[in-house]
Amino acid sequence: DAGVIQSPRHEVTEMGQEVTLRCKPISGHDYLFWYRQTMMRGLELLIYFNNNVPIDDSGMPEDRFSAKMPNASFSTLKIQPSEPRDSAVYFCASSYHNEQFFGPGTRLTVL
Amino acid sequence: QQQVKQSPQSLIVQKGGISIINCAYENTAFDYFPWYQQFPGKGPALLIAIRPDVSEKKEGRFTISFNKSAKQFSLHIMDSQPGDSATYFCAASTGNQFYFGTGTSLTVIP
Repeated sequence: DAGVIQSPRHEVTEMGQEVTLRCKPISGHDYLFWYRQTMMRGLELLIYFNNNVPIDDSGMPEDRFSAKMPNASFSTLKIQPSEPRDSAVYFCASSYHNEQFFGPGTRLTVL
Repeated sequence: QQQVKQSPQSLIVQKGGISIINCAYENTAFDYFPWYQQFPGKGPALLIAIRPDVSEKKEGRFTISFNKSAKQFSLHIMDSQPGDSATYFCAASTGNQFYFGTGTSLTVIP
């Protein structure tokens, strides 16, 4: 298996623009997680899904953030409108039976 | 509230030495304790994990020591190598709800 796949790997955008991050989890994994990592706040859980259903989105910072999982092999995290403080590395992870595997991350820079 | 507290924030060890990173938790419902290793520009990678029914787990040079009564667990890296230089995260979970420590930046000096 190729592991968790994320795209794009790097994204540079201007404040106010819409940003969409994509994730393909490992086949057969029933949980999917979105995290944000910054130097100041470390690794923060934003939202996670079980069998494509959002379970806990309490970590989503505000209404500008939304996440979807239309099927078992694809998820998106959208930021609209983006702000400079959203600059971070965003990780997607998937798990089965507790073992969580992370993707390579998307480094987002909002100018 | 930080569910998992990790220390130290950074650690410098000589090649061949032992690196020790500590974590503490409060929630006794946690039933899975993984450690992740992260290299710059990469995602965290599962390194080793333990469940509370054992007090120690060893995989190669990496050992987790678990103290259930003290609600503490630690990662020991024996014979530390420069290639071990990375950031290490402990975590604790119940079900699929994971809580991560703040990370330890390990530097192994040749």
